[in-house]
Amino acid sequence: NAGVMQNPRHLVRRRGQEARLRCSPMKGHSHVYWYRQLPEEGLKFMVYLQKENIIDESGMPKERFSAEFPKEGPSILRIQQVVRGDSAAYFCASSAVGGANVLTFGAGSRLTVL
Amino acid sequence: TQLLEQSPQFLSIQEGENLTVYCNSSSVFSSLQWYRQEPGEGPVLLVTVVTGGEVKKLKRLTFQFGDARKDSSLHITAAQPGDTGLYLCAGAGSQGNLIFGKGTKLSVKP
Repeated sequence: NAGVMQNPRHLVRRRGQEARLRCSPMKGHSHVYWYRQLPEEGLKFMVYLQKENIIDESGMPKERFSAEFPKEGPSILRIQQVVRGDSAAYFCASSAVGGANVLTFGAGSRLTVL
Repeated sequence: TQLLEQSPQFLSIQEGENLTVYCNSSSVFSSLQWYRQEPGEGPVLLVTVVTGGEVKKLKRLTFQFGDARKDSSLHITAAQPGDTGLYLCAGAGSQGNLIFGKGTKLSVKP
């Protein structure tokens, strides 16, 4: 039973390019959460999705960032026109039920913007 | 705004020592969770505390949830180098997400 799978594990982009981060939740999990972590800091909530629905996007920057969790396929966090400040580790977590129950995290995607 | 403050931010000790790290908030949480994160990996859940005053033990780790459900502590007895990592506390936010503290970075030297 595979855990939460994130890819790519490392991504390098130049300023102005687009970054797409993918997350496949654990089997049977329909709730997905995205978090961002800067060096030496905790995880900052970005967005919470269920299949085809955004439940809470209060942590998402208003511009350039978007997330989706389609009926089929992985959840995708998309960052358009990346800037150096977007460099961070992006973690995805999933759960079987909502309400901040036990979350299983992926190993993260580390984005570096040159 | 619900915030979780963790202290200390950094802790460096020798193998065999005991330590306690804290997680405090001015808000009441229905439950608090503790995670441990190693470099290059995602956080891994250690424990969930639900009831005010609850104490849970996991081998050399003891977790306590405050009576008012606003704070929690993690005590490690006889720390080992394998305990090195970032310890994060997290509580349920108002909209179903999980809110994290900034963590305590623990280094246990042999």
